[in-house]
Amino acid sequence: DVKVTQSSRYLVKRTGEKVFLECVQDMDHENMFWYRQDPGLGLRLIYFSYDVKMKEKGDIPEGYSVSREKKERFSLILESASTNQTSMYLCASSLRTGSPQRIYGYTFGSGTRLTVV
Amino acid sequence: SQQGEEDPQALSIQEGENATMNCSYKTSINNLQWYRQNSGRGLVHLILIRSNEREKHSGRLRVTLDTSKKSSSLLITASRAADTASYFCATDRWGAQKLVFGQGTRLTINP
Repeated sequence: DVKVTQSSRYLVKRTGEKVFLECVQDMDHENMFWYRQDPGLGLRLIYFSYDVKMKEKGDIPEGYSVSREKKERFSLILESASTNQTSMYLCASSLRTGSPQRIYGYTFGSGTRLTVV
Repeated sequence: SQQGEEDPQALSIQEGENATMNCSYKTSINNLQWYRQNSGRGLVHLILIRSNEREKHSGRLRVTLDTSKKSSSLLITASRAADTASYFCATDRWGAQKLVFGQGTRLTINP
């Protein structure tokens, strides 16, 4: 069964810590995404990557960085965690959209619920 | 930037009834997708409808798309307790390679 795996289901970190959230997919997908989900705000895109070593800012990249050294792995980094980064983090992947006939849905991981104290 | 807006925010119905959720969006799209999220979990892709399509079916799901009104609806027929979840619409523009999600509709099926 194809899947996206997020390394931690729950995570508690202290303010100021550097935090790494890992995401691995086994579907050979080109595109990978990091979203955060907050009550009343829905899903907001932080960063995405459409190829190895490529990255694009989403709607809320401030305070985050990403790394994609291998096709299957996309890491989200909180350089200095703050309490306002307490959230559910969702990783997703998809095949690259090609012609109008080649449009694909996302496969999501189970999410990492991060609490910054 | 939010693209899809679901309506209603919450819906509670009896098992066996049909559930209808709506999604409106603001700009031209390439396709629109619906996802389900069970409590505290990741999202699961349900169905995708292209901008040149008007209706699609998948099992008990029926999706319609009206590009002139910039809106879509998701109909779940003969609802079951297991359909209790949040449902999100998501849209992308051609070439954007990324989806923008709405805030979701929380659906509760009462036994």
